Amino acid sequence: AQTVTQSQPEMSVQEAETVTLSCTYDTSESDYYLFWYKQPPSRQMILVIRQEAYKQQNATENRFSVNFQKAAKSFSLKISDSQLGDAAMYFCAYRPYNNNDMRFGAGTRLTVKP
Amino acid sequence: DTGVSQDPRHKITKRGQNVTFRCDPISEHNRLYWYRQTLGQGPEFLTYFQNEAQLEKSRLLSDRFSAERPKGSFSTLEIQRTEQGDSAMYLCASSPFQVGTQYFGPGTRLTVL
Repeated sequence: AQTVTQSQPEMSVQEAETVTLSCTYDTSESDYYLFWYKQPPSRQMILVIRQEAYKQQNATENRFSVNFQKAAKSFSLKISDSQLGDAAMYFCAYRPYNNNDMRFGAGTRLTVKP
Repeated sequence: DTGVSQDPRHKITKRGQNVTFRCDPISEHNRLYWYRQTLGQGPEFLTYFQNEAQLEKSRLLSDRFSAERPKGSFSTLEIQRTEQGDSAMYLCASSPFQVGTQYFGPGTRLTVL
């Protein structure tokens, strides 16, 4: 079974600083997708960034980047120049290539201090 | 920009009652997903539709749960004989193709008294 582990229930960062959220996963598949989703308080979940396992290059979206270590089954999210609007629950998710059963971690609550 | 919409946003019901939720996906998306999210946890996959066909169901989807997508557009999720353990946020997502990104709706928060 595939599982996703986020070992940091809560993290905080000073505005304009950089923070890294951790995620590890367990799978026997070789082809899969990894995602980071953001869920602000009382608002809907939105995609932050996505990584295909077959790509060696780490995905980047503006201030958001990932460190994908396939052998270590690690997929961390780095947020640079943190903004107040980044405060939210962040969920790491895994999905096998040929399956629609997307598995989420328990989430990391990020607080941004002004 | 029309995203995924869900109705109602909140539902309070008494144990034993039936409830039905609706999801309207993004119009050009033929894939639709239902998830359940309990407090402090990530979403858990319930079921998946490709057009009107329900192709996958999680073991979490007990026989009290049924989902439909009759014309391949909107979907409904019905829970019969609700139990307190059914209290959760029910999320709907849609995507344009199998490996595409899933776009989530705002969810329906169910409280079973």
